[in-house]
Amino acid sequence: AQKVTQAQTEISVVEKEDVTLDCVYETRDTTYYLFWYKQPPSGELVFLIRRNSFDEQNEISGRYSWNFQKSTSSFNFTITASQVVDSAVYFCALYTGRRALTFGSGTRLQVQP
Amino acid sequence: DTGVSQDPRHKITKRGQNVTFRCDPISEHNRLYWYRQTLGQGPEFLTYFQNEAQLEKSRLLSDRFSAERPKGSFSTLEIQRTEQGDSAMYLCASSPGTSDYNEQFFGPGTRLTVL
Repeated sequence: AQKVTQAQTEISVVEKEDVTLDCVYETRDTTYYLFWYKQPPSGELVFLIRRNSFDEQNEISGRYSWNFQKSTSSFNFTITASQVVDSAVYFCALYTGRRALTFGSGTRLQVQP
Repeated sequence: DTGVSQDPRHKITKRGQNVTFRCDPISEHNRLYWYRQTLGQGPEFLTYFQNEAQLEKSRLLSDRFSAERPKGSFSTLEIQRTEQGDSAMYLCASSPGTSDYNEQFFGPGTRLTVL
């Protein structure tokens, strides 16, 4: 069975602070993909990143960075110098080739000006 | 706009009524998914189409739910005899299908409220 755990229900930071969103996953498959999606107040899920199980290199995209560690089954997401526009619910998701994404319960990020 | 579109965006209905939602995927995406999202939770998979074939259904999809994708393009999700527990956001997603691991592109969702 697949499972994704996002233990942080809600995080509040002040603009320009760095913030890390945690994601822990469970799967018995050796081949899988991990995703992060952003859901702003408008409701539409926006794709942020996809990472496969064979690539543990960290990735940086502008203010966003991702740390994938198979040893701890974690795929954490860091926003550097947060901005008010980063306020949203962020979902981590797991895909194992069984057609559907398994999502975590999400972390609501509030960035205060 | 070339993204996934869903109609209606909001639907309020009385318990016991039938409702139907429509999803138009990104053109040429042959895979289409339906998810349900309740407040404070992540989306949960309901069903999946490859072209017009419905290949997988979740146990969440009770007998009152039916989905179709008649010509492999748009899809409809119908809920019969709605119950208050059906109140949720219904999300549609599509993917190209060139790989099992393509990212899924989501529509804005249809928010259903059952009174």
